This record gives sequence, C-alpha cells and structure tokens, in this order.
Amino acid sequence: SQQGEEDPQALSIQEGENATMNCSYKTSINNLQWYRQNSGRGLVHLILIRSNEREKHSGRLRVTLDTSKKSSSLLITASRAADTASYFCATAGRSGGGADGLTFGKGTHLIIQP
Amino acid sequence: DTAVSQTPKYLVTQMGNDKSIKCEQNLGHDTMYWYKQDSKKFLKIMFSYNNKELIINETVPNRFSPKSPDKAHLNLHINSLELGDSAVYFCASSQVRRYGYTFGSGTRLTVV
Repeated sequence: SQQGEEDPQALSIQEGENATMNCSYKTSINNLQWYRQNSGRGLVHLILIRSNEREKHSGRLRVTLDTSKKSSSLLITASRAADTASYFCATAGRSGGGADGLTFGKGTHLIIQP
Repeated sequence: DTAVSQTPKYLVTQMGNDKSIKCEQNLGHDTMYWYKQDSKKFLKIMFSYNNKELIINETVPNRFSPKSPDKAHLNLHINSLELGDSAVYFCASSQVRRYGYTFGSGTRLTVV
C-alpha cells in the first residue's frame, strides 16, 4: 500500500525562488528519505532524516520531520534550472529500509523557469 | 565505475516471451532491491534480497523471480510477459540502516 503522499503534485517557480514540497505518511517510521529523479533517469538520494530528528540541512536543501503529524517537508533554496526534476519522499519502517525496503510517495514534479 | 548498473536499458518484447534484466552493484552493499515504476511514476517495491533472505512483495505475480548468484548481483527474470508488465524497472542497493539507496538507471520494458 502507498505510504507517502507528496504535495503539491506539480510546482512551477522562477529561478532563484525557494521551492517547498510536503510529504505525509501513515505508519511509524525509522527514517524518511528524499530522492530526486531527472527525466528518464534513476533516482538519486538527497537526504535522510531519522525519526528522532526534526530538521536536517544539506547544501541548499532543508528537510523537516514532524512525527506527531506524520509529515515532512523539503525546501530547496535559491532554485536553479538544474533542480527541475521529480522529487519523492520515501519512508523506512522498523528495518530501517532493509528487508522491507522503502515505501515511496507519488512525487512532486518541480519545474524551474529560467 | 558505475555504482549500480543494470542492463539492458531498453527492452521491447512480445507478449508471452521470457526475459531477464541484470543488475550489479560494486558498492559492497548488503541488500539489493527491485522496484517497478509505472506510467504515473509510482514506485513499488517488488523484492529485497539480503544475505540470502528474499522478501517478496505479495502483490508481485509469481511470473517474476529474482535470482542472486552472489552478493553483488540480483537479476530479475520474467516469464510469460504480459502487456501490463510494461514499466520501468529499477534495481537498487543499500547498506541496511546506513545512508540511502543507490539506484540503477532503470530498464524500460515495453511488451507489445
């Protein structure tokens, strides 16, 4: 069954603006991860946040996690044309993403207008 | 020096045929996976394989079978292909409880 739901499904912004994507999930998690997928390519791991963490930064990325609301957000600051891609959140259960794998949301398609 | 490589990149075949997709990882990861991405980009896990333990998603038809000759390889065999099997199949690997997954570039399977 589907775990994550990203919001919005599609987002178009001007280069230089910030982009925020949200993800909601249903069950308890060990960690939550965000991935990027460029058109016709595989997924690239961006950032992992554990269930006992509330915020994490990596370069222009900022991820928050609210386990009480079962939600996460991904903020990309100072967006660039190269950020155009689909972004997926994925949750890992008790195994930490091992035997039972990751459960992915439907993704947010982000378009950065030059 | 590709971390997770899968072949072929494109596969077009007729209904009823049997085909295989190969996957190899050179990261020393202990777990490998197969995911299916449908036309709406929804990703669903099919299998995970860790230290000879195979976990199968119960929704996967038994026409699909993973085969792992060693820790670095997890191939996907599909028998009696159907039109609905058309999708992009991704192989991935991870070191359990550390970091994230590393994905291959995908195999676009088209059944005609």
